[in-house]
Amino acid sequence: EVQLVESGGGLVQPGGSLRLSCAASGFTFSRYWMIWVRQAPGKGLEWVANIKQDGSQRIYADSVKGRFTISRDNAKNSLYLQMNSLRAEDTAVYYCTRGVMHDYWGQGTLVTVSS
Amino acid sequence: DIQMTQSPSSLSASVGDRVTITCRASQGISNYVAWFQQKPGKAPKSLIYGASSLQSGVPSKFSGSGSGTDFTLTISSLQPEDFATYYCQQYIDYPLTFGQGTRLEIK
Repeated sequence: EVQLVESGGGLVQPGGSLRLSCAASGFTFSRYWMIWVRQAPGKGLEWVANIKQDGSQRIYADSVKGRFTISRDNAKNSLYLQMNSLRAEDTAVYYCTRGVMHDYWGQGTLVTVSS
Repeated sequence: DIQMTQSPSSLSASVGDRVTITCRASQGISNYVAWFQQKPGKAPKSLIYGASSLQSGVPSKFSGSGSGTDFTLTISSLQPEDFATYYCQQYIDYPLTFGQGTRLEIK
């Protein structure tokens, strides 16, 4: 059974940093692009970043470029999102998903940026 | 950026009804469209990819169609568990973009 489990969310002050993790199981992690998608409270879905199977290609939404870094560790079946210079508008539930068609989603982790 | 515009934004229907949700892309995207269902407080669930291919385990009451710029998601014989918010998404080009969502409510 495919499982994606996010962790690392929480309350952080504006300008602060946070690192999200996503533990994958039930499939060959190294064979898939992996993606972060977020959803602000009461809002729609927003794509954040993609990473290729071997980590050689990373693509970011303009809204996070230069502040967020997506990475992965295929030996640990894990996906990460390092978030720096956080802003109030980054407040959202962050989901990790498998592939550009997002065929599987984690349960999400809430990031709240507030003073 | 490719804009994905869903209509309607909200829809009221009764159990047993058949409903159709439309998604229009701002430029041609072949069949690179996916559809998702999201219930309150839950993660989205993948329903359809490639505009018309059903994800494994998704009941055949869900169907998708379209190509180019106009796409539809049809749900036949609505059941209480189908009342949710539905999103389309294009994945032909970056940034990947979602529609704004269609909230399907019980009449």
